[in-house]
Amino acid sequence: QSALTQPASVSGSPGQSTIISCTGTSSDVGAYNYVSWYQQHPGKAPKLIIYDVSGRPSGVSNRFSGSKSGSTASLTISGLQAEDEADYYCSSYATSSTPVVFGGGTKLTVL
Amino acid sequence: QLQLQESGPGLVKPSETLSLTCTVSGASISSSSNHYWGWIRQPPGKGLEWIGTISYSGTTYYTPSLKSRLTISIDMSRNQFSLNLSSVTAADTAVYYCATPNPYSSSIHYWGQGTLVTVSA
Repeated sequence: QSALTQPASVSGSPGQSTIISCTGTSSDVGAYNYVSWYQQHPGKAPKLIIYDVSGRPSGVSNRFSGSKSGSTASLTISGLQAEDEADYYCSSYATSSTPVVFGGGTKLTVL
Repeated sequence: QLQLQESGPGLVKPSETLSLTCTVSGASISSSSNHYWGWIRQPPGKGLEWIGTISYSGTTYYTPSLKSRLTISIDMSRNQFSLNLSSVTAADTAVYYCATPNPYSSSIHYWGQGTLVTVSA
């Protein structure tokens, strides 16, 4: 069982927006503004797309945005494109002894 | 540009020790205070699992479920860090990634390509 809870799957049509949630606790997501999101295509390594809740690494499309309310973080993907079809994982800083916790992952299907 | 490359056996027998090395290029492990060095694994068809992290000073952080079997170390002379997981079982079969957790936020900007390790007799 993963430390952070994500929906197993979401879907959307091209051009639409979709939101993926990531629910933690007051000890991880709720305690720190250190939520990251990763995109993983089949057979590839994960790619960081959001860090520190809403930061976007250089080169990542501005169609990806992140936010947080309480112990739930969200990834919004606007203007869905076929290339966005992938698995998405959230992670959060947790404690000094267990600094990284992941969500179980969400499979995004672009219809 | 920082790059990471995993290396090691792709097949390990049950009860033996899984050993992997990550070679870092584009940055010095000993002087890169912006990065810690870590391992993440992903069993086939499943999600990501953080295994452990080591700081540039050698302080280690291990996931509790693997702590008794796990050692992560740094070889500054070779600009490498390594993973040793003892007494492996089929449950340890996974793609193993080396990566760079940020010391403060744990965000991971750089990942290796991953290497599949299968535990089987």
